[in-house]
Amino acid sequence: EVQLVESGGDLVQPGRSLRLSCATSGFIFDDYAMHWVRQPPGKGLEWVSGINWNSGSTAYADSVKGRFTISRDNAKNSLSLQMNSLRTEDTAFYYCAKDIATGIDASFDVWGQGTMVTVSS
Amino acid sequence: QSVLTQPPSASGTPGQKITISCSGSSSNIGSYTVNWYQHFPGTAPKLLMYSNDQRPSGVPDRFSGSKSGTSASLAISGLQSEDEADYFCAGWDDSLNGVVFGGGTKLTVL
Repeated sequence: EVQLVESGGDLVQPGRSLRLSCATSGFIFDDYAMHWVRQPPGKGLEWVSGINWNSGSTAYADSVKGRFTISRDNAKNSLSLQMNSLRTEDTAFYYCAKDIATGIDASFDVWGQGTMVTVSS
Repeated sequence: QSVLTQPPSASGTPGQKITISCSGSSSNIGSYTVNWYQHFPGTAPKLLMYSNDQRPSGVPDRFSGSKSGTSASLAISGLQSEDEADYFCAGWDDSLNGVVFGGGTKLTVL
């Protein structure tokens, strides 16, 4: 069974850092691009970042560019999101999602259950 | 404001056919394929349609997708109560060099 399990969500103060992780299983991890997508409370889905199969290409939403860094460890079948200089507007449910392609696309066929990040003083 | 524009709400009665639109521009829908997601609050979103009109395994053929120019549509025929959910379109945007989502459409089955 294909599984994505996020962890690392927490309550943090503005300006602090947090690292999210996504453990995967049930598929050949390094055959696919991976993404982070978030949903702020009461709002819609917002793509955050994506990384291709071999980490050769990454992309970020303008709202997080320069503050967030996506990475993957193909040996450990895991995806991470390092979030620095957090802002209150980063408060959201963060989902890890698997792409259907090796390159960064917008087709996410498997999603984790998500982890909550709350940025508040 | 979302880059892709969807109506915030849609509704229909059981058995009816409804259509949800997704409007974009030449830098996104006009140049790339569109995907649709179904999201029940509190659960993980589900890929409903990819590459404009392709259904992943397990998605009923009551769901269909189409694209023309800079707009796309998701149609649901034979509406059922369990279709009541939020629906999002998404695609790649050249100008932003990233993935963009529509604002979402909340479907109510009356």
